[in-house]
Amino acid sequence: QKEVEQNSGPLSVPEGAIASLNCTYSDRGSQSFFWYRQYSGKSPELIMSIYSNGDKEDGRFTAQLNKASQYVSLLIRDSQPSDSATYLCAVKTPRSQGNLIFGKGTKLSVKP
Amino acid sequence: NAGVTQTPKFRILKIGQSMTLQCAQDMNHNYMYWYRQDPGMGLKLIYYSVGAGITDKGEVPNGYNVSRSTTEDFPLRLELAAPSQTSVYFCASSYSYLTGGGDPSGGTDTQYFGPGTRLTVL
Repeated sequence: QKEVEQNSGPLSVPEGAIASLNCTYSDRGSQSFFWYRQYSGKSPELIMSIYSNGDKEDGRFTAQLNKASQYVSLLIRDSQPSDSATYLCAVKTPRSQGNLIFGKGTKLSVKP
Repeated sequence: NAGVTQTPKFRILKIGQSMTLQCAQDMNHNYMYWYRQDPGMGLKLIYYSVGAGITDKGEVPNGYNVSRSTTEDFPLRLELAAPSQTSVYFCASSYSYLTGGGDPSGGTDTQYFGPGTRLTVL
């Protein structure tokens, strides 16, 4: 089992809809959790970080963490064409030596 | 703050040539990283450093070398370039602890990325 898994997509949603991106991780002792957005040809940029169980909201973005089920998700409300990008999930695990383990990313396409 | 800077932005090398990719950060971060990203693929960790004078291998270190003489700088050296090293290279930095969870108020463990270097080896 890969340490951090994401559906590669593409995930296609209409403009104005809610986009739901999911990520599962294998190490139950994992701690810090991150969502990054990467536009084509650009570097990853931080969207959200979450450290404890529950929901964390920032504008149109909500990160959800469930440590018992070992998943973290990102909801994007009122999706815009400008949200079209690849979304990377990243997790700090007890074995990662302080590093983050990145998933391969989910490509999101928001259709006007 | 400039954040994480990388030079050059683009470079074309011939097989067998060598070069150094430069990376600098001005956020006083202890950890620095080098990743490569091939088209349509995820990030692969090449090397990382937990502080000045300390470096360690990541997932794909072969063909690369690093050094960290200062907190701010973390250059990546390619010796004897090969076509398989054609990729986009990202440098990143963070303030991290070896173990323990992040501090929600301090942004611990958050990695900040440079703009990348697009390298082609022909």
